[in-house]
Amino acid sequence: DGGITQSPKYLFRKEGQNVTLSCEQNLNHDAMYWYRQDPGQGLRLIYYSQIVNDFQKGDIAEGYSVSREKKESFPLTVTSAQKNPTAFYLCASSIGASGNVEQFFGPGTRLTVL
Amino acid sequence: GQNIDQPTEMTATEGAIVQINCTYQTSGFNGLFWYQQHAGEAPTFLSYNVLDGLEEKGRFSSFLSRSKGYSYLLLKELQMKDSASYLCAVRDHGQNFVFGPGTRLSVLP
Repeated sequence: DGGITQSPKYLFRKEGQNVTLSCEQNLNHDAMYWYRQDPGQGLRLIYYSQIVNDFQKGDIAEGYSVSREKKESFPLTVTSAQKNPTAFYLCASSIGASGNVEQFFGPGTRLTVL
Repeated sequence: GQNIDQPTEMTATEGAIVQINCTYQTSGFNGLFWYQQHAGEAPTFLSYNVLDGLEEKGRFSSFLSRSKGYSYLLLKELQMKDSASYLCAVRDHGQNFVFGPGTRLSVLP
């Protein structure tokens, strides 16, 4: 079955630690995205990548880092510099061409920093 | 700047019709998307508009007016399972998607 996987579903970390969230897709999509969602709010873009070995900052990139070494994978690292890291993190992908290129979302990772 | 507005919450009765509005101001426009998101879950795609007019898909329809920067999602024959948040998103240029805050819809029996 094609889709996007994120792991783990729930993650707990101590303040000051870096943590990496996994995102893998087997849809052969070129574009991948990371969003953050806080309670009762919409999605805010952290980083996106349109092609392997290239990525751009979104609206709230500070305190986060990404890599795109393979088409299938787009891991997100939440660093200790991120002041309020507790949130629901969603990874998405799209084909990358023009037209009706809706995003497909993974199940999300809920990160809690203690 | 980029700005998308939606009502925060709406309530409707099972079997009724509800219209969720979305207004947007973005640096470019390459399509408007509606997603449904149940609490604690990932958003799922509902509809896409790039030209003015109405797109119908079963019980759901979506309308777009590019000159007014306005869209709405129409849900007919409401069911309890339609209780969810509805997200309006605009693809501005390239592959960047801008999301609105979402509208939380509660369907009452």
